[in-house]
Amino acid sequence: DGGITQSPKYLFRKEGQNVTLSCEQNLNHDAMYWYRQDPGQGLRLIYYSQIVNDFQKGDIAEGYSVSREKKESFPLTVTSAQKNPTAFYLCASSRGVGGTDTQYFGPGTRLTVL
Amino acid sequence: SQKIEQNSEALNIQEGKTATLTCNYTNYSPAYLQWYRQDPGRGPVFLLLIRENEKEKRKERLKVTFDTTLKQSLFHITASQPADSATYLCAPTGSGGYNKLIFGAGTRLAVHP
Repeated sequence: DGGITQSPKYLFRKEGQNVTLSCEQNLNHDAMYWYRQDPGQGLRLIYYSQIVNDFQKGDIAEGYSVSREKKESFPLTVTSAQKNPTAFYLCASSRGVGGTDTQYFGPGTRLTVL
Repeated sequence: SQKIEQNSEALNIQEGKTATLTCNYTNYSPAYLQWYRQDPGRGPVFLLLIRENEKEKRKERLKVTFDTTLKQSLFHITASQPADSATYLCAPTGSGGYNKLIFGAGTRLAVHP
C-alpha cells in the first residue's frame, strides 16, 4: 500500500525537552511538508522540502527544525524553544510544488506538553 | 496579507438535502483552488481541484464553483448522507514556482438522518 505514515499517534513531552516526530512516505514524492493545526484554525505551514537535502521555512518555523536526508523521510523536531508546542501535527507529501499538485496527508501526531 | 474565510459555524442539514459551503479569499488571485475533507483526529483528504478558467467542476455528488470576480468558491454536496459529516477545507494556490497551499480553517458539516 502506498501512503504516508506518522509516528507516534500521541506524544507527551515535559517542558524543556526536545521531541522528534517521524514522517515517512512511499509514494515517491519529491515534496514534503509539516503543518500544525490548532482548534478552530487552519493548517499552518512549519517547514517544507521540495527535494532531498533542501528545505525551507514556512510561516511558523520558530522553535522547530527538520532534516531531509532521504526522499522518503522528513522528521520534525520540536525544540524547547517552541513556546506553545501542544497541537496536532500533520505531515504531507506531493509529487511537486505546482498549483495542481495535491497533497497527501499522514494520520497526524497529537503532541501534548505536560 | 492573504486571507481565506470559511464559515466558522457548523452547517447542520437533513439527509438528502444539498449542502453548500463557502470559501472566500482576499488579497489573492489564485490560479487553482483545492478542496479537502478532514475527519476528526485525522489528516485531510483531497477531494477536488478547480482551475481559474473553469466555472464548475463535478465529481459524483460533489460540485465546486470558482468565481474569480467575487473571489469565492462554493462547494456543494447533493443528496447528502450522514457519512458526509466532516470538516471541509478550501485551499487556493497560485501558479509558477513554489505554490504554497493556504488553508482555510474549514467548515464543519453535520448531516442528520
